[in-house]
Amino acid sequence: DIVMTQSPDSLAVSLGERATINCKSSRSVLYSSNNKNYLAWYQQKPGQTPKLLIYWASTRESGVPDRFSGSGSGTDFTLTISSLQAEDVAVYYCQHYDSTRAFGQGTKVEIK
Amino acid sequence: QVQLVQSGAEVKKPGASVKVSCKASGYTFINSAIHWVRQAPGQRLEWMAWINPAYGNTKYSQKFQGRLTITSDTSASTGYMELSSLTSEDTAVYYCAKDRGGPIDYWGQGTLVTVSS
Repeated sequence: DIVMTQSPDSLAVSLGERATINCKSSRSVLYSSNNKNYLAWYQQKPGQTPKLLIYWASTRESGVPDRFSGSGSGTDFTLTISSLQAEDVAVYYCQHYDSTRAFGQGTKVEIK
Repeated sequence: QVQLVQSGAEVKKPGASVKVSCKASGYTFINSAIHWVRQAPGQRLEWMAWINPAYGNTKYSQKFQGRLTITSDTSASTGYMELSSLTSEDTAVYYCAKDRGGPIDYWGQGTLVTVSS
């Protein structure tokens, strides 16, 4: 199974500042057949189920604020929150989605 | 609207099995895979398996091979997850979820399974 590793495990960012989360997969999740990266990002707030933010590594889900963006290809990916808001406090997970699935260990985002 | 409604909390003794159900509504059941994901208290999301209800084919995480069985009943639009040989390490919230041919887009409310002697 593919292993997903996120960094850092947690970060504290001031309101309005940028938050950057990294995700590395143990093998490439880029498929040459369609040139797509099978990588998604989720947000999980305390006591809630995860919410899909980004899929195909960089496509924002409908209704997700444009301060959230995803980038990267192959094995290295990044989720960026361009201007952190109080409601963005959560744990963020990356996940690959080919024949099997795996989540990263999560990154906890807090306000500094 | 899409809903995935799971069965209620369970308390099991070590060595026992647990079966959790997940009733889907608001979409065509056979058009989306059903996934099972668990989350131990304060821990990460852990993907367990998926099933394609249209054909009944499944894929399991290597970690759970041999003691996890997932099934679906298309007539009832319901998925099932059965985990056997439970230990305290299996204490977790178990979620069902559906995908849309890739990422997971809807989640059930979760079922707390507690394993305790």
